[in-house]
Amino acid sequence: DIQMTQSPSLLSASVGDRVTLNCKASQNINKNLNWYQQKLGEAPKLLIYYTNNLQTGIPSRFSGSGSGTDYTLTISSLQPEDVATYYCYQYNSGWTFGGGTKLELK
Amino acid sequence: EVQLVESGGGLVQPGRSLKLSCVASGFTFSNYGMNWIRQAPGKGLEWVAYISSGSSYIYYAETVKGRFTISRDNAKNTLYLQMTSLRSEDTALYYCARRYIPDSWGQGVMVTVSS
Repeated sequence: DIQMTQSPSLLSASVGDRVTLNCKASQNINKNLNWYQQKLGEAPKLLIYYTNNLQTGIPSRFSGSGSGTDYTLTISSLQPEDVATYYCYQYNSGWTFGGGTKLELK
Repeated sequence: EVQLVESGGGLVQPGRSLKLSCVASGFTFSNYGMNWIRQAPGKGLEWVAYISSGSSYIYYAETVKGRFTISRDNAKNTLYLQMTSLRSEDTALYYCARRYIPDSWGQGVMVTVSS
C-alpha cells in the first residue's frame, strides 16, 4: 500500500504570507495526486487535481506542483478564509489520503 | 448543481449491521463512479470503497473488505453501503463522493458503533 505523509502537521502563518504544504508518497505516484481543503464542520472540497490543475471556482492563489514522490500545495497570499485542514490524496495505486496539514492564522 | 445527500446513519451495537444511502441529483448519476469515504471523530480522511458507473468494478479498503458492500441503483440515483459486523473503529462520518477522483462530496452521515 502507498503511504502518504504530509508536513508539517500544523502550520501557523499570517495573512498575506506565501504558504507551502508538503506531501510525500512512499513510492512514485506519477502525479496522480489531488489536494482537498476541509474547513471546520464542512465536507472536503477539491482544490487541485492531477498535481497542478486548479478545480473550477478555486482562487488562483492556490497552486500545486511536484512529481515522483514529492508534491506541494502553495498558497501565494494567505487569506483568512484559507484557515482549514488540507489533505493530499493519491489515486495511482489504490486510494490513500495523507494525514492532513492544519493551517491556522498567526 | 451537484447534490449528494447521505442518510441511514445512527447508533448501532458492535457486531450489528447498518445500511447507508446516498441520493444524487444535479448530474447524470449513471455516468459516474462513486466512493464512500469516512472520517473518524477528530481524525483524517479514509477512503472506504469505490464502485464504477455500471457496477463492473468494485474496490474496498482492507479495513472493511469482507464486511462492507458497496452497491448502486442507477434508476433511483442512489448509492448504498451495507455495513455488517460493525466495530467501534467503524465509528465515523461517512461521505459519499462522486467520481474515481472525488470532485463533489455530500455532507456526510454519522455512524456510531457502541454498546
